Amino acid sequence: AQRVTQPEKLLSVFKGAPVELKCNYSYSGSPELFWYVQYSRQRLQLLLRHISRESIKGFTADLNKGETSFHLKKPFAQEEDSAMYYCALYILTGGGNKLTFGTGTQLKVEL
Amino acid sequence: DTEVTQTPKHLVMGMTNKKSLKCEQHMGHRAMYWYKQKAKKPPELMFVYSYEKLSINESVPSRFSPECPNSSLLNLHLHALQPEDSALYLCASSQVSERNEQFFGPGTRLTVL
Repeated sequence: AQRVTQPEKLLSVFKGAPVELKCNYSYSGSPELFWYVQYSRQRLQLLLRHISRESIKGFTADLNKGETSFHLKKPFAQEEDSAMYYCALYILTGGGNKLTFGTGTQLKVEL
Repeated sequence: DTEVTQTPKHLVMGMTNKKSLKCEQHMGHRAMYWYKQKAKKPPELMFVYSYEKLSINESVPSRFSPECPNSSLLNLHLHALQPEDSALYLCASSQVSERNEQFFGPGTRLTVL
């Protein structure tokens, strides 16, 4: 069955410290993975997707098919990075395409 | 206009009421989605519309009835809801072609008394 796992509910780091938010997936097809972010009182928005291989707000994520992982990394955390982060897997079904979200990791950057 | 809008922002209803949630986008997207999000949980997909036709129903109870009257509008009709249906209801839209970014609305906070 398709599944996205984010093992940490809460990750607390100090400003300037490196950040790694873990994401593992289970999918029999060719995976398409995303990171979405939800800042306090704001709508859910796309942070980055593996296929574009770009860096957004200093965050990067590399798809590792061998380890079935798509961890999100940033070398130096900023206070404004505090938010809820969701890893999401795009699944092809007979009826259409859909996103399956992980349980999310709340990132808290402390001064 | 590059946003998905949802109305109302908040809704309180009794278990015998009938109400509707509305979602609108003018980005030319032909796929639209309803999600349910409980507090501190990820969004859970409810329905997907593709070219104004229902393409995915994630076994949602019939007290939730979606409608897509045109390519810009998506409604969710609510009837005889239960208190456990209280949640944030999110609408999203995207291009139909595979693996496209979904753009989310701010949500409607629903409370069922």
